[in-house]
Amino acid sequence: DIQMTQSPSTLSASVGDRVTITCRASQSINSWLAWYQQKPGKAPKLLIYKASSLESGVPSRFSGSGSGTEFTLTISSLQPDDFATYYCQQYHSSWRTFGQGTEVGIK
Amino acid sequence: QVQLQESGPGLVKPSETLSLTCAVFGASISSDNWWSWVRQPPGKGLEWIGEIYHTGGTNYNPSLKSRLIMSVDKSRQQLSLMLASVTAADTAVYYCARGGTGTTSAVLAYWGQGALVTVSS
Repeated sequence: DIQMTQSPSTLSASVGDRVTITCRASQSINSWLAWYQQKPGKAPKLLIYKASSLESGVPSRFSGSGSGTEFTLTISSLQPDDFATYYCQQYHSSWRTFGQGTEVGIK
Repeated sequence: QVQLQESGPGLVKPSETLSLTCAVFGASISSDNWWSWVRQPPGKGLEWIGEIYHTGGTNYNPSLKSRLIMSVDKSRQQLSLMLASVTAADTAVYYCARGGTGTTSAVLAYWGQGALVTVSS
């Protein structure tokens, strides 16, 4: 299986901060990567697909980049609604896998 | 508006079979989309279980494949998941989700609210 490793596992930030989360794949996945946001007790919400394509209705402060094995999710100016856990997911392999998650908390 | 709703027993005994259904509203289960199951143990991350197309084609997580059966009931607009020989490690919130088409088949834009299944005697 393709292992997805996110860093950091947790981070503390303030409203207005620029936040970057990294996701590394154990082998090349081209651009077949999605990002999800999950809040406690809720289902995940799709933010980004194909590494950098913004899902309809997602605020433009979210952006994704990368290809091959290294990817980033950036929140340009953190808002109160953005405190949540973020997961990357590869869909290059028929065995889809998620990263372990990055929890974004309030500093 | 696509809506998905999981249902099933909240408690399953060890060694028995976990069975869940997912009702689909606002979209045809026969559309050109794949339908996935994802689970999340309490306090932990997401694990992809597998996906199914309305023709019955499936793609399973190899670590679960020997215990897993997914199916589609077109007349009822429902998906089903069966996981055999469960242990405490299968305790999780189980989500159904709709993927896209083609290369986005595993990009999950629509999710159910999730169903907690606890494995305990």
